[in-house]
Amino acid sequence: DTEVTQTPKHLVMGMTNKKSLKCEQHMGHRAMYWYKQKAKKPPELMFVYSYEKLSINESVPSRFSPECPNSSLLNLHLHALQPEDSALYLCASSQGPVAYEQYFGPGTRLTVT
Amino acid sequence: AQTVTQSQPEMSVQEAETVTLSCTYDTSESDYYLFWYKQPPSRQMILVIRQEAYKQQNATENRFSVNFQKAAKSFSLKISDSQLGDAAMYFCAYRVADMRFGAGTRLTVKP
Repeated sequence: DTEVTQTPKHLVMGMTNKKSLKCEQHMGHRAMYWYKQKAKKPPELMFVYSYEKLSINESVPSRFSPECPNSSLLNLHLHALQPEDSALYLCASSQGPVAYEQYFGPGTRLTVT
Repeated sequence: AQTVTQSQPEMSVQEAETVTLSCTYDTSESDYYLFWYKQPPSRQMILVIRQEAYKQQNATENRFSVNFQKAAKSFSLKISDSQLGDAAMYFCAYRVADMRFGAGTRLTVKP
């Protein structure tokens, strides 16, 4: 099973809202990632969790807050977003933090109004 | 810094024919991994094929194969017997630690 699940599939939120994106994998992977993807562009890395510890923060604004409650779950908490934050948010996991291929979830399409 | 370059923004192929997508990368590492990912309009990124840099043999997965030229830092993807379902955005990626993606090539398959 190489499945990564993400909820919700679509999310529309106002600039004052607080919402969360969720990601889950049951492959025993020890690294999980959040990416942001704009239309017709490659994914941009936002956060990396390695063995449930945040290891890379690619200078992402503080209105994005990641959380890794356990080795299977990854959340992305959203607060006071801007319209330019509208994008596809992809979660991925890999067996380890280096070298291995990453498996992606279907993504959450976020629209900020 | 490692960079990945896909010089073909768009490619088109006739159904049942063969197409090759190009990818070059820049690195000073000797051990690394290369991948091709496919992203259909349904948007999920799907791993197509992987290649370990220390392996001289080119990876193959059914109709998909790569031509890995380590000295030239080239990693092209060949799709044989193209099918309508192959239509997608294809991303080349390089990894030692974090994954680096190319800009992508949009492949259209004509019936």
